Amino acid sequence: DTAVSQTPKYLVTQMGNDKSIKCEQNLGHDTMYWYKQDSKKFLKIMFSYNNKELIINETVPNRFSPKSPDKAHLNLHINSLELGDSAVYFCASSQETGGHGNTIYFGEGSWLTVV
Amino acid sequence: DAKTTQPNSMESNEEEPVHLPCNHSTISGTDYIHWYRQLPSQGPEYVIHGLTSNVNNRMASLAIAEDRKSSTLILHRATLRDAAVYYCILRGGGSNYKLTFGKGTLLTVNP
Repeated sequence: DTAVSQTPKYLVTQMGNDKSIKCEQNLGHDTMYWYKQDSKKFLKIMFSYNNKELIINETVPNRFSPKSPDKAHLNLHINSLELGDSAVYFCASSQETGGHGNTIYFGEGSWLTVV
Repeated sequence: DAKTTQPNSMESNEEEPVHLPCNHSTISGTDYIHWYRQLPSQGPEYVIHGLTSNVNNRMASLAIAEDRKSSTLILHRATLRDAAVYYCILRGGGSNYKLTFGKGTLLTVNP
């Protein structure tokens, strides 16, 4: 059973299109994240949601819109895709409330290529 | 977030111990020291974390300096599967809501 699963794993799409990446965690965690890893391999946080509430939005263009229908899901919708959006997007989750130095569990990544 | 400094790369031979250093001179009293690693084409995975005392788990050991300004991740017997980028990250205790990754150390394991 995959703890944090994201779909699709690979996505090739044209500039200007709108696409979504879905994420689900079955760990019962209260916090979910989206991270972006660019071609230089830097991992940067994009969003963090706690109990469906947006906690962190790290200066991400508003073409990116996360949606958390419930605690177990955090989807990422991207409008008007640009070449620079090509990257690997990682979903993650953790239990933050009442924790101490909590472990974050990552999905396997979604490889987005914009052509 | 307090910053960490790691060597860009290190090399090891299979079945030998590996000591991966990390400096974090601006660590605060409530910061936990976390280590994650990222295998090729995979998401980051948790390795170990600690606050003040040395820690051991099935994957590795974490040695924390007495002044907490540095730490060392120890892989007791490196295998080819341990080749990855290793990230040393400081994370505050309690609800934190993010993990800030640096460049990490690329570990190469030679057969």
